[in-house]
Amino acid sequence: SAVISQKPSRDICQRGTSLTIQCQVDSQVTMMFWYRQQPGQSLTLIATANQGSEATYESGFVIDKFPISRPNLTFSTLTVSNMSPEDSSIYLCSGGQGQYTEAFFGQGTRLTVV
Amino acid sequence: AQSVTQLDSHVSVSEGTPVLLRCNYSSSYSPSLFWYVQHPNKGLQLLLKYTSAATLVKGINGFEAEFKKSETSFHLTKPSAHMSDAAEYFCVVSDPVGAGKSTFGDGTTLTVKP
Repeated sequence: SAVISQKPSRDICQRGTSLTIQCQVDSQVTMMFWYRQQPGQSLTLIATANQGSEATYESGFVIDKFPISRPNLTFSTLTVSNMSPEDSSIYLCSGGQGQYTEAFFGQGTRLTVV
Repeated sequence: AQSVTQLDSHVSVSEGTPVLLRCNYSSSYSPSLFWYVQHPNKGLQLLLKYTSAATLVKGINGFEAEFKKSETSFHLTKPSAHMSDAAEYFCVVSDPVGAGKSTFGDGTTLTVKP
């Protein structure tokens, strides 16, 4: 199984600013994903991070708000841009290694926007 | 397209009594199904997974789940609840082609009374 590390683990940010979250996997994974977990809610997929190309966003999420990079098979970043209090959530990175296998999740980044 | 419905948002049991958390799924593919647990302020932990092998799947901490294709269900059970089982439980369906791209149910909060 892969181990996923996220940085930072938590942050408190001012509205209107941006935060970049880093996700590092200890082995190569086929796919990487970013999820959002709003307070008291389930996880919602933001996008699939594609190596060397633009991320694939789910309905309701756009690149201008959540730019994503994936320069190689073990690293990805998610930026939350022009933040508002509604962006206060836990953001989780996950990786998948192949068909019929489970996804591995990082511990998440707990973001509070004030 | 795939989706997951967790039929109970809250389940309360007494310590030592059985646990049943219900999950129905919908998938265009032969699904991969998972149960994850999330303790307060903790990350996601995989309890068990079904990936087209045995329909009765045993997981960690005494949990098991049965895949029933005819009922499109994947209910989670445990014969005897422990106080430490109190947590949020997520049923997840994964796109086998997407290698870990996961759709989460809304979650079930399990409360265990002494």
